[in-house]
Amino acid sequence: GAVVSQHPSWVICKSGTSVKIECRSLDFQATTMFWYRQFPKQSLMLMATSNEGSKATYEQGVEKDKFLINHASLTLSTLTVTSAHPEDSSFYICSASGLAIEKIFGPGTRLTVL
Amino acid sequence: DAKTTQPNSMESNEEEPVHLPCNHSTISGTDYIHWYRQLPSQGPEYVIHGLTSNVNNRMASLAIAEDRKSSTLILHRATLRDAAVYYCILGGSGNTGKLIFGQGTTLQVKP
Repeated sequence: GAVVSQHPSWVICKSGTSVKIECRSLDFQATTMFWYRQFPKQSLMLMATSNEGSKATYEQGVEKDKFLINHASLTLSTLTVTSAHPEDSSFYICSASGLAIEKIFGPGTRLTVL
Repeated sequence: DAKTTQPNSMESNEEEPVHLPCNHSTISGTDYIHWYRQLPSQGPEYVIHGLTSNVNNRMASLAIAEDRKSSTLILHRATLRDAAVYYCILGGSGNTGKLIFGQGTTLQVKP
């Protein structure tokens, strides 16, 4: 079946540094990818929607200059957390849409900012 | 986005059926009903979706009320691996439609 991978699965970084998270659709082309974040014991919060070759659409309240999203190909989207701070520590999850209606989610990336 | 209402938590015994309810009284005519589940520290997993008719797949069944204002996810024989948070989400038919997650139902399965 369709699989979405994320890399890295976890990352620890110092405050003020930038971190890039990759999301890949392994065996299908994803015209649209979605980025979520999830704080402990909370639900997923949609951050942005990205379409291949165009600018991402961010949800209200999400800083687009802080969370840079690039969807350069039909199989790869990246999320860069710029100048990360401890409050950005979270579980970041991507999902992808192929031809089918169901979304395929990645396994998530645990970000810890010290 | 139309809203769904689910119980915060439910318990089930292993190997017994589980009925997870979802209310969506403001559903529009084009909204599909999607169910996903999330195990701890993992990304959500697709379970099932439907529009008007009841649906079955290898994981579960989806029963949709005639007025479409509620639905029920049915796990026919719960196993310990079914313990997860189950999310009922309304969305369009397009594969590019975004999914907005609510709080979901935490299902506990007792051996």
